[in-house]
Formats: sequence, C-alpha cells, structure tokens
Amino acid sequence: GAVVSQHPSRVICKSGTSVKIECRSLDFQATTMFWYRQFPKQSLMLMATSNEGSKATYEQGVEKDKFLINHASLTLSTLTVTSAHPEDSSFYICSARGTGMGTGELFFGEGSRLTVL
Amino acid sequence: QKEVEQDPGPLSVPEGAIVSLNCTYSNSAFQYFMWYRQYSRKGPELLMYTYSSGNKEDGRFTAQVDKSSKYISLFIRDSQPSDSATYLCAGTVNQGGKLIFGQGTELSVKP
Repeated sequence: GAVVSQHPSRVICKSGTSVKIECRSLDFQATTMFWYRQFPKQSLMLMATSNEGSKATYEQGVEKDKFLINHASLTLSTLTVTSAHPEDSSFYICSARGTGMGTGELFFGEGSRLTVL
Repeated sequence: QKEVEQDPGPLSVPEGAIVSLNCTYSNSAFQYFMWYRQYSRKGPELLMYTYSSGNKEDGRFTAQVDKSSKYISLFIRDSQPSDSATYLCAGTVNQGGKLIFGQGTELSVKP
C-alpha cells in the first residue's frame, strides 16, 4: 500500500508552547488529508479534513484556532497545536487519500504522541 | 448513542482459534465498511473493505456486512499471535466520505 509518514512520532513540550506535526504522503499525491485524535483505548475521532490548497473543514467541537491545519502541497499537511495544555496530550494520526483512490484506500501515518507537561 | 458501537474487549483466544469481531451501527445511510488493524502505538492499517451487504474473504480474514440488522463482522481463522492488535471497524456514507470508527476491540492471541 501507499506510504504516509508522520513526524515527529513522539513529542514532549511545556504547557503554553506550540507543536507542529507533519504528515507526508511519500509515493502518491494526497488530495485529501484527515487528522484524527485518539485517546487510550478510545476510537479515532476525526478533527478535520483538509484538501490541498483550501482551508480545512473542522469537526464540531474542534477549535480551529487551536488546531491549525495547513495543506499547502499535495504531499504535505501540518497540524499545529497552539498554546498546548496537558489536556491536549493525545495520539494524533493523519491519513491521506489520493486522486482516483476509492473510499477504502485511506492510508494512515504512524501517529504522533504528544505529551504536554 | 454512538454511530458505530464496538465491544472494546479485551478478547483473549488461544492460537489457532477462530475469532469473531463485531460492530453495530446506527446510520442506515452507511454504504461502505472497513476493518482496520492497529498495533500498539502505531497508525491503523486497512485489512478489509466491503461495499453494502455481503461477504468478502481475503486469506484468513472474512468480512461480513448485514445491512438489514446494521451488523458488521470480521472473522479470523487460524489466529496467530501476530494477530494480536486492536481491530477497528468503520463505516461511511459515500466514496470519499468521512469515516466513523468504532472504539476498537483489543485482541490477544496466546501461543
């Protein structure tokens, strides 16, 4: 299957700082990328959907000013957690779908574990 | 009520057993159903993908969808310790649509 790379895999930061997570599609052009959040033993909760070159669409209850998403190219999307607080500590996962790919062809990154102290 | 419900387990079986994982969903508009496998601290990987009702088989895995009862299943034959992971079901209404995931079932296959 196609490869989606996420970086960093782990990040620890102090409360009040901002953290950027990158999601790259390595061998295909990702027209759509999705960002999820997963708490321990919980399901993946969709945070936002981003299409290349346009503003992200956020799910209800997700603060767009806190979770900044940029999808500036067909191979890169970034999620910036601004002014992070301990309650933002979670596992963040991106997924990507390329042009012509069907519904089942959604490829996930390895995830990024954020710990806010 | 969650749109997709899944028993979180954990489910523990001996090696070689047949495993049955199940989900129910409430949105009758769902047309596409997926099963993902997620190893600890990793992103999910797609296992099976089905459209509408019916069965689909791939090696030791069989996915089953019954839209009349809004019930989806994944069967694993001859389970192996390497199958130990969390299995997530998901549904969506249309191609390219938002996936709604279940909570995931943690499976442990003991040697």
